[in-house]
Amino acid sequence: QQQVKQSPQSLIVQKGGISIINCAYENTAFDYFPWYQQFPGKGPALLIAIRPDVSEKKEGRFTISFNKSAKQFSLHIMDSQPGDSATYFCAARATNFGNEKLTFGTGTRLTIIP
Amino acid sequence: DAGVTQSPTHLIKTRGQQVTLRCSPISGHKSVSWYQQVLGQGPQFIFQYYEKEERGRGNFPDRFSARQFPNYSSELNVNALLLGDSALYLCASSSTGTSQRQFFGPGTRLTVL
Repeated sequence: QQQVKQSPQSLIVQKGGISIINCAYENTAFDYFPWYQQFPGKGPALLIAIRPDVSEKKEGRFTISFNKSAKQFSLHIMDSQPGDSATYFCAARATNFGNEKLTFGTGTRLTIIP
Repeated sequence: DAGVTQSPTHLIKTRGQQVTLRCSPISGHKSVSWYQQVLGQGPQFIFQYYEKEERGRGNFPDRFSARQFPNYSSELNVNALLLGDSALYLCASSSTGTSQRQFFGPGTRLTVL
């Protein structure tokens, strides 16, 4: 019940296209859903995050869509660029006794080709 | 402002040895969390400390321990190393114990031979 399922495992998108990564969860206690971007040899960097009382959040080329009834959320990268090539992780957090534990998905390796 | 810093960057140990990893949070951040990231997988939560108190513990054996110091820096200790402990160990800091924004350091790459 603590799992966050992420798909696809890898994704190849042409430059200028839209990259879409999907995540699903079961635990209804999750109340915060961030996305992280990780480059090789680096730690994850917070990209964008959403709370379940909002259906969509947009920051620049990055948009999170959230479907509370389906317990699914997705990351959309518009006008994808080669510099977006990285591994993306969705995550979820349940506020439990003040614990900040993040549960991560398995990651999506995104490659943007010219 | 400096981000989260971790030391050492890389570490090679042999089975059965003990290792200590260090983390300095962003200035002003009082919460530190530790994660293990095995190659090809997402980070797995190990511990969270806030104001020097343990706030949470993940599903890891007792060989893993941690502590937080008065300056909010933290150490992760792993005893009796196993081959399966080889991973990237990540430290994340946030300003409060329930902050939504966690900032990760670059990690320490531990290789157990």
